[in-house]
Amino acid sequence: DIQMTQSPSSLSASVGDRVTITCRASQSISNYLNWYQQKPGKAPDLLIFGASSLHVGVPSRFTGSGSGTDFTLTISSLQPADFATYYCQQGFRTPYTFGRGTKLEIK
Amino acid sequence: QVQLQQWGAGLVKPSETLSLTCGVLGGSFSGYFWTWIRQSPGKGLEWIGETNHRGNTNYSPSLGSRVTISVDTSKNQFSLILHSVTVADTAVYYCARVTPLCGSVGCYDFAYWGHGAPVTVSS
Repeated sequence: DIQMTQSPSSLSASVGDRVTITCRASQSISNYLNWYQQKPGKAPDLLIFGASSLHVGVPSRFTGSGSGTDFTLTISSLQPADFATYYCQQGFRTPYTFGRGTKLEIK
Repeated sequence: QVQLQQWGAGLVKPSETLSLTCGVLGGSFSGYFWTWIRQSPGKGLEWIGETNHRGNTNYSPSLGSRVTISVDTSKNQFSLILHSVTVADTAVYYCARVTPLCGSVGCYDFAYWGHGAPVTVSS
């Protein structure tokens, strides 16, 4: 299985801050990398697919980059609605696998 | 708008069988793969397996022969069967739609999810 390693596991930040979350795959996955946001008691919501393409309706303050094994999700100016847990997921090969998540909390 | 509605037993006894069904409203059923994913505090998000409308399936090797995913195209539904459950199978189970390509509209992502069904394995 392809292992996905996210860092940090948690992050404290303030409204207006710029934050970056990283995800590393255990082998090259080209750009087959997706990012999700999850709030308590809800299913994850797709933010970015194909490493850098914004899913419909997702604000432009979210950007994704990377290829191969190293990827990043950046939120340019944190809004109150952005405090949640973020997951990466590889779609390169089944079994599809997820990172363990980054919990973004209000400082 | 695509909606996934899921249902099934929320409490299952150890060694018995977990059964969940997901119904798809809106959008194309035949153009996608349909998947089950579970989430627990211990294992995080775990992909279980997927099916298409023809009944072609892929399963996670970690679940082995305990899992079966079936499809009913006449009702736009697909189902999860997990045999011989243990407490380690306690989780929130989600159904979701898989984008079956990597291109301008998606990349083997899960753009639509059911609301999630908590399943507890306990005697």
